[in-house]
Amino acid sequence: DIQLTQSPSSMSASLGDRVSLTCQSSQGIGNYLSWYQHKPGKPPKPMIYYATNLADGVPSRFSGSRSGSDYSLTISSLESEDMADYHCLQYKQYPYTFGAGTKLELK
Amino acid sequence: QIQLVQSGPELKKPGESVKISCKASGYTFTDYAMNWVKQAPGNGLKWMGWINTQTGKPTYADDFKQRFVFSLETSASTAYLQINNLNIEDTATYFCTRFYNSGYYFDYWGQGVMVTVSS
Repeated sequence: DIQLTQSPSSMSASLGDRVSLTCQSSQGIGNYLSWYQHKPGKPPKPMIYYATNLADGVPSRFSGSRSGSDYSLTISSLESEDMADYHCLQYKQYPYTFGAGTKLELK
Repeated sequence: QIQLVQSGPELKKPGESVKISCKASGYTFTDYAMNWVKQAPGNGLKWMGWINTQTGKPTYADDFKQRFVFSLETSASTAYLQINNLNIEDTATYFCTRFYNSGYYFDYWGQGVMVTVSS
């Protein structure tokens, strides 16, 4: 199975900070990676698809990038509503696999 | 608007079965595959598999091949997840989610169903 390693597992940041979350794949997955924001009691919300594309309705402060097998989700200026868990997911091959998540908290 | 509405929370005993529904609206049900995702308490997300809404053919991740059944009622635009012979480790929230084939991601999600297995 393809392993996705997310780092850090948790982080705290201040409002207005630029924040980058990383997801590293154990095998080549091309751009078949997406990012989801997950808050307690809610379903996951798609943020980025196909590595770099913004999902519908997602604020432009979010962006996705790729360098080899490393994928990043960047928030250019952190807002309070961005506090959540963030998970990456690969669709390259079965079984689809999620990263363990990064918990983003307010400092 | 597009919605996936799941059934309500379940409390079951070990050994029992549960059947969760996921009713789709706002789009043509058979145009998009339906996937299922598990989130156990304190754990991350785990992909369980998917069902082809045109053919009804299910595909299961290895951990979900034994007691789990995906099914459809196409006339009602509804997908089902049945879990047989429940055990404590099945206590989790289960999400249905639509796979958007043009973008390769899960674009719409059900609200989740909490299944609690306790003696």
